[in-house]
Amino acid sequence: NAGVTQTPKFQVLKTGQSMTLQCAQDMNHNSMYWYRQDPGMGLRLIYYSASEGTTDKGEVPNGYNVSRLNKREFSLRLESAAPSQTSVYFCASRDPLAGANTGELFFGEGSRLTVL
Amino acid sequence: DQQVKQNSPSLSVQEGRISILNCDYTNSMFDYFLWYKKYPAEGPTFLISISSIKDKNEDGRFTVFLNKSAKHLSLHIVPSQPGDSAVYFCAASARGFKTIFGAGTRLFVKA
Repeated sequence: NAGVTQTPKFQVLKTGQSMTLQCAQDMNHNSMYWYRQDPGMGLRLIYYSASEGTTDKGEVPNGYNVSRLNKREFSLRLESAAPSQTSVYFCASRDPLAGANTGELFFGEGSRLTVL
Repeated sequence: DQQVKQNSPSLSVQEGRISILNCDYTNSMFDYFLWYKKYPAEGPTFLISISSIKDKNEDGRFTVFLNKSAKHLSLHIVPSQPGDSAVYFCAASARGFKTIFGAGTRLFVKA
């Protein structure tokens, strides 16, 4: 039972490089999310996708783009990485049976990104 | 502007005693509140939740209390165990798909 799978788990980039974080869930969830975790800041929402074919900005979307490739997959792209994007990134999905805003989020194990 | 605030970065308690983690929020539109637990190098996992129409929800050793007039909620863990040592995040959502998290409180339970 894989749940939410993120790749890669670790990545080091140089300033200006681009990369894509991949996320896939096998729980048939409609909604998917990308968060970043920084010391003292908790988890901040970058982008989310309420359902296949839709994406919306969260609290800190600048410098990121997302693609909801299909119901299972939601990717996060950094077009030109900056040191301020050094963080741990978490993908999550929500159980639709529990309702739009009441269902718990299921998180992946995280992707640690360092931008030099 | 932080809509969900956890003002205590850390808390240390003795095994067997009660742990109380606090959370304040500013958005009166929030109608559902959740607590997540996070161990190092793992993703957060859901712990317990409460609807805004209730003032208490209990699940085993974990109880969440909601005071809407004060825009305050708390998580009580009784009795605390060393395995409860983790970071606890308070989260809230408002009739939509966004869930907003607090900064987290690191709980240390001493044996």
